Amino acid sequence: GEDVEQSLFLSVREGDSSVINCTYTDSSSTYLYWYKQEPGAGLQLLTYIFSNMDMKQDQRLTVLLNKKDKHLSLRIADTQTGDSAIYFCAEMSGGSYIPTFGRGTSLIVHP
Amino acid sequence: GAGVSQSPSNKVTEKGKDVELRCDPISGHTALYWYRQSLGQGLEFLIYFQGNSAPDKSGLPSDRFSAERTGGSVSTLTIQRTQQEDSAVYLCASSSLSGGDIQYFGAGTRLSVL
Repeated sequence: GEDVEQSLFLSVREGDSSVINCTYTDSSSTYLYWYKQEPGAGLQLLTYIFSNMDMKQDQRLTVLLNKKDKHLSLRIADTQTGDSAIYFCAEMSGGSYIPTFGRGTSLIVHP
Repeated sequence: GAGVSQSPSNKVTEKGKDVELRCDPISGHTALYWYRQSLGQGLEFLIYFQGNSAPDKSGLPSDRFSAERTGGSVSTLTIQRTQQEDSAVYLCASSSLSGGDIQYFGAGTRLSVL
């Protein structure tokens, strides 16, 4: 089946930028998502990008998509302790309504 | 309500008992999903409902798992004869086709099977 891979952990210092990477295998992926999960909560959509886009910026968040390499990244500028959470990458092809999620990357922000 | 509501938030049960988990989606959302999130794992798709269409049950791990959605709104996930490996967080999400298929998640039900 299709697969979405993420590194499991990322540790950064407060104020630095965080970059969370994701690779996927489905070449027909149309929608690519980043979700955030705080402890004890469900997943919250942070941002998404269509496969015909290379980049999307939303305040401190920048999403970069390299469709050729099937690589997606999420950059968080000026990372704060409140950004500590698990970040999930997900993809969905145009003909499907069921996204495939990665295992999530635990972002730890320390002073 | 404003968001997806799940109940109970926590459920502790004994091995072999049946449990029912409830999901109340966002009003007007036609699509409803159930996922399972085990410790250290990603989201495992269980079942998908879309309007009045037959549900996609391809993710249900065994015949002990079933789900229904009454009136196109509230959904119940039932696990019969629970096993310890069923311990996980069960997440529900809903989406509207007009919303770009963005899924809105509930806070989940944490199931512990002793």
